[in-house]
Amino acid sequence: EAGVAQSPRYKIIEKRQSVAFWCNPISGHATLYWYQQILGQGPKLLIQFQNNGVVDDSQLPKDRFSAERLKGVDSTLKIQPAKLEDSAVYLCASSVIVSSYEQYFGPGTRLTVT
Amino acid sequence: LAKTTQPISMDSYEGQEVNITCSHNNIATNDYITWYQQFPSQGPRFIIQGYKTKVTNEVASLFIPADRKSSTLSLPRVSLSDTAVYYCLVGNTGGFKTIFGAGTRLFVKA
Repeated sequence: EAGVAQSPRYKIIEKRQSVAFWCNPISGHATLYWYQQILGQGPKLLIQFQNNGVVDDSQLPKDRFSAERLKGVDSTLKIQPAKLEDSAVYLCASSVIVSSYEQYFGPGTRLTVT
Repeated sequence: LAKTTQPISMDSYEGQEVNITCSHNNIATNDYITWYQQFPSQGPRFIIQGYKTKVTNEVASLFIPADRKSSTLSLPRVSLSDTAVYYCLVGNTGGFKTIFGAGTRLFVKA
């Protein structure tokens, strides 16, 4: 079974620029999660989708971050404008059921903001 | 939400058994205990989950005492490839709020 796919794997941008990350979850997984992982810390949940609806976005900085999951499959996470403190790995995960403890993670996108 | 406490780091040698303990004093009746493993430059990987007593799979064992206020992840005969960060999480499926702490960094030496 194919795993969670993410692209790009690496991205370097200057502050105030915009950036977008793409995620394709495991086929059949209704729930999709985006996490931010700063170096040396555990992943922090940003947003959770159930199909194409948002279940939890309480930790998403909505003034600069946005995410969508059109048609309940692929998802895109956008940052506009980026700040230096957004430098992190952005992880996408999926699960069969909503708010599951058993999630499958992609390899992540490493973002560097200069 | 039950908070978890783990050691920041642990060292071991190849072939040894490693036990990582997680404290979760405020665990709720319907909470499960879940452990994830994260290698460098990869996303976390689910390794084991349990509710009480002992759970074993091909990767690890999970020991949970009767009061469920702590749990121990046991890795038998570790190898260099077990060097990773191990995270303990607590919650119930369907209402699981995924909160990762800093985890335990395990270093396995030759």
